[in-house]
Amino acid sequence: QSVLTQPPSVSGAPGQRVTISCTGSSSNIGADYDVHWYQQLPGTAPKLLIYGNTNRPSGVPDRFSGSKSDTSASLAITGLQTEDEADYYCQSYDSSLSGWVFGGGTKLTVL
Amino acid sequence: QVQLQESGPGLVKPSETLSLTCTVSGGSISSYYWSWIRQSPGRGLEWIGYIYYSGTTNYSPSLESRLTISVDTSKNQFSLRLSSVTAADTAIYYCASHYINTGGDAFDIWGQGRMVTVSS
Repeated sequence: QSVLTQPPSVSGAPGQRVTISCTGSSSNIGADYDVHWYQQLPGTAPKLLIYGNTNRPSGVPDRFSGSKSDTSASLAITGLQTEDEADYYCQSYDSSLSGWVFGGGTKLTVL
Repeated sequence: QVQLQESGPGLVKPSETLSLTCTVSGGSISSYYWSWIRQSPGRGLEWIGYIYYSGTTNYSPSLESRLTISVDTSKNQFSLRLSSVTAADTAIYYCASHYINTGGDAFDIWGQGRMVTVSS
């Protein structure tokens, strides 16, 4: 069981909007540590998608956005495209565990 | 553009030591914090530990007793040694650089990963 909880899967049709949730606790997200999001395409390493809750690295389309509230965070993807089909992971820092922690990952299927 | 590349044996026997090296190219190892992260179907993504170019380290408490991370600035490399391995240590091992963020670091550059299997 991962420290951060994500739904195992989400799906949407091309052009639609989907959101992926990430639920933590008072020792990580609720302790005001930032949430970061990664996209992992099959057979590749994770790629940083969102950092600092809401910021996109250079080259990441603005179809991807992040938000954070209390002990949870969300990743939203608008205008779904087939190439968005991937696994998505949230990540934060946990003060109780004294280290960086990840969510279990969410598989996005574009129907 | 900084790039990372893991190298090392892909098969390790139970109770032996897993050793991997990450080579940094396109930039200096003296500019960042560097972590090892592993991924397995059973454990998902797991942060292992980090090292700064000065040699300062920080290890996951769950692995600390078996773990050594070191740096060789002359070769622009850092390394991982995990002792007394079991099948539970079978995973893809990634090296990654830290994006320093006030609210907690992210990992902005990743190597391609090295699959390590623990089996006799």
